[in-house]
Amino acid sequence: DVKVTQSSRYLVKRTGEKVFLECVQDMDHENMFWYRQDPGLGLRLIYFSYDVKMKEKGDIPEGYSVSREKKERFSLILESASTNQTSMYLCASSFVHSINQPQHFGDGTRLSIL
Amino acid sequence: TQLLEQSPQFLSIQEGENLTVYCNSSSVFSSLQWYRQEPGEGPVLLVTVVTGGEVKKLKRLTFQFGDARKDSSLHITAAQPGDTGLYLCAGGVGSSNTGKLIFGQGTTLQVKP
Repeated sequence: DVKVTQSSRYLVKRTGEKVFLECVQDMDHENMFWYRQDPGLGLRLIYFSYDVKMKEKGDIPEGYSVSREKKERFSLILESASTNQTSMYLCASSFVHSINQPQHFGDGTRLSIL
Repeated sequence: TQLLEQSPQFLSIQEGENLTVYCNSSSVFSSLQWYRQEPGEGPVLLVTVVTGGEVKKLKRLTFQFGDARKDSSLHITAAQPGDTGLYLCAGGVGSSNTGKLIFGQGTTLQVKP
């Protein structure tokens, strides 16, 4: 089975802190994604990566950056955390070869910014 | 901007009832995927439909892709408490090497025993 592991289930940080969310997948997937999930808004794409060191902005990249130094690891960085970034963050991965490939998700990190 | 509108957003029904969830757009999608998410977990793929008019069945769940590939529906027959969860539709967008998906807002289903 595909395993996507997010480093923390719950995280509490303070306004202004630099926050790192880590995601690791074990299926050699080329694509990796970061979403935030808020009630009534579904999943919104923050950033995605289709290869090592490659990244593209999603729909809501402001206030975030990402890093992909190794194929299996995709990190989301909140440069200076703000209270409006309190949310559930989901990481996903998929194969590159078909647009119809399913995405495999981690269990999420619930981040609270105080 | 491509959007997927999902309805209803909330559904609370009794065990044994039937229900339908709709996913609509003005855009054409290359495929439509349905996911279910349970509390404390990430979404898990239920099905992918690719061809216009395609119908797929997964036990008591029936998925249909519209002829024009702009809409999809999920029908559950004789719902059970184990069907409780958040249902998300997602449309495939972008070039083939990105695997990008656009998600609907989700439908929260509660099935009471």
